Amino acid sequence: AQSVTQLDSHVSVSEGTPVLLRCNYSSSYSPSLFWYVQHPNKGLQLLLKYTSAATLVKGINGFEAEFKKSETSFHLTKPSAHMSDAAEYFCVVSDQGGKLIFGQGTELSVKP
Amino acid sequence: DAGVIQSPRHEVTEMGQEVTLRCKPISGHNSLFWYRQTMMRGLELLIYFNNNVPIDDSGMPEDRFSAKMPNASFSTLKIQPSEPRDSAVYFCASSFRAGEGTQYFGPGTRLLVL
Repeated sequence: AQSVTQLDSHVSVSEGTPVLLRCNYSSSYSPSLFWYVQHPNKGLQLLLKYTSAATLVKGINGFEAEFKKSETSFHLTKPSAHMSDAAEYFCVVSDQGGKLIFGQGTELSVKP
Repeated sequence: DAGVIQSPRHEVTEMGQEVTLRCKPISGHNSLFWYRQTMMRGLELLIYFNNNVPIDDSGMPEDRFSAKMPNASFSTLKIQPSEPRDSAVYFCASSFRAGEGTQYFGPGTRLLVL
């Protein structure tokens, strides 16, 4: 069965510093992996998606994630945090039927 | 495209009342998903449809919950009778086809059952 584990429930960074949100996955086959972002009182928005093409995936708003099979990881990074990045981030794996399995979420706080 | 549309955005009701949540998926999308989000349980998939047919309803909490998709552009999630523990944000999402993976979420319906 597929699953994801987000290693931090809350991350706090200062504006202008790098962001690292950690995610490990478990899958019995080559997975499709996603990062979604949820701003307060909003729906979820797709940040980026990995589907067995390039292992470094670039997303919107300067975010990127690297698929590392040997480490079963799909960490999300951004070189320089902006105040508008404050939100909850979900690492997600898709099963073969198209169902999404969500991690518990990481809340990102950005300090001025 | 307007994206996934959900209504109402907010609903406050009393225990025992019937609640109906509505969703219009993105035009051309063949799969539709209903999720529930709470602090305690996070995001849970309740049910999903492919081509208007329910495929997996294993996440539906109990018989008080029912979902329908009478056509490709409309779905409802009904709770009858509602209970305070049903209070949550309910999201609808759609995707182009089953297995495609990328889902597009609506803004959600925030339900409070008193």
